[in-house]
Amino acid sequence: SQQGEEDPQALSIQEGENATMNCSYKTSINNLQWYRQNSGRGLVHLILIRSNEREKHSGRLRVTLDTSKKSSSLLITASRAADTASYFCATDRDSNYQLIWGAGTKLIIKP
Amino acid sequence: GAVVSQHPSRVICKSGTSVKIECRSLDFQATTMFWYRQFPKQSLMLMATSNEGSKATYEQGVEKDKFLINHASLTLSTLTVTSAHPEDSSFYICSASGTGSLTPQHFGDGTRLSIL
Repeated sequence: SQQGEEDPQALSIQEGENATMNCSYKTSINNLQWYRQNSGRGLVHLILIRSNEREKHSGRLRVTLDTSKKSSSLLITASRAADTASYFCATDRDSNYQLIWGAGTKLIIKP
Repeated sequence: GAVVSQHPSRVICKSGTSVKIECRSLDFQATTMFWYRQFPKQSLMLMATSNEGSKATYEQGVEKDKFLINHASLTLSTLTVTSAHPEDSSFYICSASGTGSLTPQHFGDGTRLSIL
């Protein structure tokens, strides 16, 4: 079952601009993860943020987590055409390491 | 590191055929493997969770006799779609996870299954 909702569903920006995607969830979590999926491919793990963390950086990626609002955001700075992909957030479900997936944001970077 | 190989990448076959998809963790031991189905422009739908040496746990609504999962070793899980029909056409993706709640899932590249 899906508990995450992402917005926007689709985002189209010019290369060089920053892209921000948001994710909301419903239940308490231990951690939240962001993944990327290129068209017709599997998913690639980008970053994991624990519930006691508020912000995390990895290269051009910045993730924030607000557990009081049950929401997270993924910021990609200085976007590149190669960043074109779908981005999904996922929260842990239970002790069996299952994840609950958001609906995803399709990001298009125009060169 | 953490490479997951999924094979085949694409299958086209006639209705009634059974299709086996393999998922291998190449450089780590996968305690748990997950099988997902993804419809066009949609998110991942978890089908089942498998732990090495035990029976898979299927999500509600997923027919275990239709989608047979075997996780015989710490590096290999297989999904067999039995007597496939056109409605089984989809993109199937596996992922593997090591131990620990902070271990991310590592994904195969998916299998595009088309049943004629």
